[in-house]
Amino acid sequence: SQTIHQWPATLVQPVGSPLSLECTVEGTSNPNLYWYRQAAGRGLQLLFYSVGIGQISSEVPQNLSASRPQDRQFILSSKKLLLSDSGFYLCAWSPLGQIYIEKLFFGSGTQLSVL
Amino acid sequence: QQQVKQSPQSLIVQKGGISIINCAYENTAFDYFPWYQQFPGKGPALLIAIRPDVSEKKEGRFTISFNKSAKQFSLHIMDSQPGDSATYFCAASGAGGTSYGKLTFGQGTILTVHP
Repeated sequence: SQTIHQWPATLVQPVGSPLSLECTVEGTSNPNLYWYRQAAGRGLQLLFYSVGIGQISSEVPQNLSASRPQDRQFILSSKKLLLSDSGFYLCAWSPLGQIYIEKLFFGSGTQLSVL
Repeated sequence: QQQVKQSPQSLIVQKGGISIINCAYENTAFDYFPWYQQFPGKGPALLIAIRPDVSEKKEGRFTISFNKSAKQFSLHIMDSQPGDSATYFCAASGAGGTSYGKLTFGQGTILTVHP
């Protein structure tokens, strides 16, 4: 069966510090991978998605970047965190090639607090 | 045009009552409408989904009603239980254009079911 791992679960970082959040998927090949951010009262905002190694699409201009160094690994990074980067970050995957996302599988999330 | 608007932001229902959450969309390219359920500290999970070729889909106590002409859809939870207390997100995606392969989420509704 497929599983998605995301870590760490919680993170407290000072303003200006770097960030690296990692997500890995097991039990499937060539998944579509996504990073979402959830802010209180603002739903789920798609930040990045990837359909393959090295292929990253950014949905919103921001202080963050994403990379996909391996087929089932997705990394969210920042060189210098801002207060506004605080939020609940969710990694997700879906089977490659689906015209309709029949199912989007989410990780358990990382609660990031930038102080 | 990519937005999905969800209401209400929060909802309190007594055990055994009916919970109703509404969503509206603008993008006519959307043709897949799922609902996700999220418990605190967890990632969202797919609850039920509908395509516009039907006006209603029922799975157990959960029903989606879809009105294509009004571009609205809603989630009804019958006989609501305390275990249904969670955040609910509506979402939409489409087969073509900029919505291809991506889910656009509503802002979320925090449902509390009192015993």
